Amino acid sequence: QVQLQQWGAGLLKPSETLSLTCAVFGGSFSGYYWTWIRQFPGKGLEWIGEIHHSGGTNYNPSLKSRVTMSVDTSKKQFSLRLTSVTAADTAIYFCTRVPNIEARPCDYWDQGTLVTVSS
Amino acid sequence: DIQMTQSPSSVSASVGDRVIITCRASRDIRSWLAWYQQIPGKAPKLLIYAASILQSGVPSRFSGSGSGTDFTLTISNLQPEDFATYYCQQADSFPRTFGRGTKVEIK
Repeated sequence: QVQLQQWGAGLLKPSETLSLTCAVFGGSFSGYYWTWIRQFPGKGLEWIGEIHHSGGTNYNPSLKSRVTMSVDTSKKQFSLRLTSVTAADTAIYFCTRVPNIEARPCDYWDQGTLVTVSS
Repeated sequence: DIQMTQSPSSVSASVGDRVIITCRASRDIRSWLAWYQQIPGKAPKLLIYAASILQSGVPSRFSGSGSGTDFTLTISNLQPEDFATYYCQQADSFPRTFGRGTKVEIK
């Protein structure tokens, strides 16, 4: 059974850098895309971006200047960095797995981490 | 970006009812649409992908249809565990985008 588990700081001050890491248990790391999605307090969902196990990335253009994703295949982990955060970045952050099929659905999600940006 | 418009935003229904949720894309997304269910306090769960393919383990009372710009999610014989919020998401182009959700409430 595939499980994703993430960790990182849950409370940040404006201008700080958000850093989250997601580990994959119980399944293969290779052959998949790994994504970050966030859910705002009003419940809207925003796709942040994806990274292939080989390191190739696609980012949401609205966040591209502030986002970096990376992978560590030896540890079966992938990470998100979001710089210069503001209150607008307050959200629940999810990491997900995306099979390398044309439909590209998010078939496994972690439980999510609430990140609050407040001075 | 492709805009995804869901309707209705909420629906009240009873156990045993059939519920239909629609999702419209602002441009042709072929069949690259997924539906997710979210129970409060939980992560979204994949129900359907490629517009009509049922994810493994999802009950057959859930079904999806459509292509191009118009899609539907049908829940037949609504069960107590189905009261949740449902989101559509397009996977045709980047950035991926979601609908704003449809909350299925108990009548």
